[in-house]
Amino acid sequence: DIQMTQSPSSLSASVGDRVTITCRASQTIGAYLNWYQQKPGKAPKVLIYTASNLQSGVPSRFSGSGSGTDFSLTINSLQPEDFATYYCQQSYSTPLTFGGGTKVEMK
Amino acid sequence: DVQLVESGGGLVQPGGSLRLSCAASGFTFSKYWMHWVRQTPGKGLEWVSRIQNDESITNYADSVKGRFTISRDNAKNTLYLQMNSLRGEDTAVYYCVRGAAAGTPPWLDPWGQGILVTVSS
Repeated sequence: DIQMTQSPSSLSASVGDRVTITCRASQTIGAYLNWYQQKPGKAPKVLIYTASNLQSGVPSRFSGSGSGTDFSLTINSLQPEDFATYYCQQSYSTPLTFGGGTKVEMK
Repeated sequence: DVQLVESGGGLVQPGGSLRLSCAASGFTFSKYWMHWVRQTPGKGLEWVSRIQNDESITNYADSVKGRFTISRDNAKNTLYLQMNSLRGEDTAVYYCVRGAAAGTPPWLDPWGQGILVTVSS
């Protein structure tokens, strides 16, 4: 199974900050990496697919990069509605696997 | 609008069975892979199972293999998860999730609202 390691597991930031979350795969997955945002009590929503493609309707302050085993999600100018938990997920092979999540909290 | 609505959850004793259903609408159900993903309360996400659009391929997480069965009825636009020999560690919110179709990205989108399954005596 491909293990997905996210870091940090949590971070504190302020509105307007630039935030970067990293995700490392235990083996190469090409660009088969998606990012999801989850707010309390809600289902996850896809933000970025295949490493760097922005899902329709997602603000352009979100961006993704990387390939192979190392990936990152960046939020430029953090907004109040961005405080949430973020997960990476590999779609390269089954079992599909998720990172442990990064909780972005208000400083 | 694409909608996925889960039903069938609840409280069940260890060793018991439960069948989850997911009613899909707003898209051509028969063209898409479908998945079940679960989330333990306060914890992360765990992929459970998937089924190809024509039911020809099914895959399972090792943690549920041999106990859970995924199926679908394309005529009824409905996805199922038959869960047998349930254990305490199966307690989670279960999400029905749309997967890929020909020409779409390999993502999980959208997700249903989720349904709670509690395994306890």
